[in-house]
Amino acid sequence: SQQGEEDPQALSIQEGENATMNCSYKTSINNLQWYRQNSGRGLVHLILIRSNEREKHSGRLRVTLDTSKKSSSLLITASRAADTASYFCATDLLSNSGYALNFGKGTSLLVTP
Amino acid sequence: ETGVTQTPRHLVMGMTNKKSLKCEQHLGHNAMYWYKQSAKKPLELMFVYSLEERVENNSVPSRFSPECPNSSHLFLHLHTLQPEDSALYLCASSQDTGSSTDTQYFGPGTRLTVL
Repeated sequence: SQQGEEDPQALSIQEGENATMNCSYKTSINNLQWYRQNSGRGLVHLILIRSNEREKHSGRLRVTLDTSKKSSSLLITASRAADTASYFCATDLLSNSGYALNFGKGTSLLVTP
Repeated sequence: ETGVTQTPRHLVMGMTNKKSLKCEQHLGHNAMYWYKQSAKKPLELMFVYSLEERVENNSVPSRFSPECPNSSHLFLHLHTLQPEDSALYLCASSQDTGSSTDTQYFGPGTRLTVL
């Protein structure tokens, strides 16, 4: 079943502005990952944040995690046109087969020059 | 680019056709996955293979038949599909399924259209 839910569904900003996307989930997690997908392509892993971490940085990306609110946010600073893509959060899901990922519907980000 | 390749990239087939999607990973991973991505829906996990054994079948109709002959190759055999099966089919791999921190590496996908 769907675990992560991104918000907003779509976001349009201008180059240089910051973009913030949010993800909410329903059950306890060990970690949360963010992925990016360019139109019609596969997903690319961006960053993983563990449940005992509150904030993590990678280049222009900043991810926060609030386990009490079961939510995470992805901030892209100083956005560029090349950041145009869909962004997905994914939570770990433990089943009889081991760990898999539960993806949300994603946030579609458009960065205009 | 990501070490996971998929062929073909685009496929158009009729409902009575039989076709296969192929995925190959060059990362030395032990786990491989098939996902279905339809418009405005979350990615749907279809199958998980670990060390060439199918460990997850997520209530997928039998018209989709996976095959994993070795840890580097994964196939999805298609027969008598329906138009609603049209979607982007993504293959992914990860080191294992035993760790919650494993990153999944995705192929570029096969865009399937069923007429």
